[in-house]
Amino acid sequence: KAGVTQTPRYLIKTRGQQVTLSCSPISGHRSVSWYQQTPGQGLQFLFEYFSETQRNKGNFPGRFSGRQFSNSRSEMNVSTLELGDSALYLCASGHTGPSTDTQYFGPGTRLTVL
Amino acid sequence: DAKTTQPPSMDCAEGRAANLPCNHSTISGNEYVYWYRQIHSQGPQYIIHGLKNNETNEMASLIITEDRKSSTLILPHATLRDTAVYYCIVRGSGSSNTGKLIFGQGTTLQVKP
Repeated sequence: KAGVTQTPRYLIKTRGQQVTLSCSPISGHRSVSWYQQTPGQGLQFLFEYFSETQRNKGNFPGRFSGRQFSNSRSEMNVSTLELGDSALYLCASGHTGPSTDTQYFGPGTRLTVL
Repeated sequence: DAKTTQPPSMDCAEGRAANLPCNHSTISGNEYVYWYRQIHSQGPQYIIHGLKNNETNEMASLIITEDRKSSTLILPHATLRDTAVYYCIVRGSGSSNTGKLIFGQGTTLQVKP
């Protein structure tokens, strides 16, 4: 069974631009969560989607948004990029969600904001 | 979700067992102990999880104390490729649903030849 895939793997943007990252979960998984990882803050939860609905949201500004499609694929968008948004963005998928089953992570998208 | 405490770093000789401890003294009865590892700049990899009983899979063994306040992840024959940051996470379920995994700083395991 294929694992979680994320595209693109690397991205370079400049301040003020926007970016869209994509995550394809493991087949059959309906929950997709997003995390941001930086050297200073570690792994921090962004949001979780299940059956196209956002169920949980972390403490991030409104510039960070996401959505999930009917095939469970998910995208996250960051608008008006700031230097501090440079990070590894990870998505994880599971059957029912982070609180009730095992989550499997993708390889991440490395975003660099110049 | 219960908080976990792990040593920041550990060394292990290649071929020897690596024993990584984790304290979770505030764990409640329906919370699972999960272990993930993250090899440099890759996504976290699921290793193993347990509730009360000891668990073993092809990657590792998980020993949970009887009072469930601490656990130990055992890599039986560590290799250089096991060098990574290991995260111990207590995951809630049911009424303690927080909808996310809470990662601490983890333990950096360095396997040396």
